[in-house]
Amino acid sequence: DVKVTQSSRYLVKRTGEKVFLECVQDMDHENMFWYRQDPGLGLRLIYFSYDVKMKEKGDIPEGYSVSREKKERFSLILESASTNQTSMYLCASTPGAGTEAFFGQGTRLTVV
Amino acid sequence: QKEVEQDPGPLSVPEGAIVSLNCTYSNSAFQYFMWYRQYSRKGPELLMYTYSSGNKEDGRFTAQVDKSSKYISLFIRDSQPSDSATYLCAMSLTSGTYKYIFGTGTRLKVLA
Repeated sequence: DVKVTQSSRYLVKRTGEKVFLECVQDMDHENMFWYRQDPGLGLRLIYFSYDVKMKEKGDIPEGYSVSREKKERFSLILESASTNQTSMYLCASTPGAGTEAFFGQGTRLTVV
Repeated sequence: QKEVEQDPGPLSVPEGAIVSLNCTYSNSAFQYFMWYRQYSRKGPELLMYTYSSGNKEDGRFTAQVDKSSKYISLFIRDSQPSDSATYLCAMSLTSGTYKYIFGTGTRLKVLA
């Protein structure tokens, strides 16, 4: 089974902190994604990566950056956390474009 | 108009009922269709993955795609309380794109 593991289930951070969310997949997938999920808004794509060191902006990249130094690991960085970044963050991976996406268990981030 | 529309529910049914969950979409180029189940405070898990039109069955679950009507459905037979979750539809274009479009999810409650 594909396993996508996010480093934290719950995080509480202060406004202005730099926050790192880590994601690791064990199936040698090419593509990795970061989404945020908010009630009534569904999943919104923040960034994705289709290869090591390659990244593309999604629909809502402002206030975020990403890093993919190794194929299995994709990190989301909140440069200066703000309260409007309180959300559920979901990492996903896929073996190829258009194929089924596999998700991690999610990180519920609260910024106070 | 959103690219994918999904009734948010909640949908409450008695145990043993047949459940029908639906999504409509506007982009006729979508070729890959997925259904995810998401339990509270967890990441989405893939239930069904279909390509183009037609039906696909897996146990108590049947996914149906009608591309002429731009309409997809997930049927759950003999629903159980453990099926209580939020169900998300998702779709993507043919190969060469990394963009997935998700519905906002339908919350289902199966009453014992």
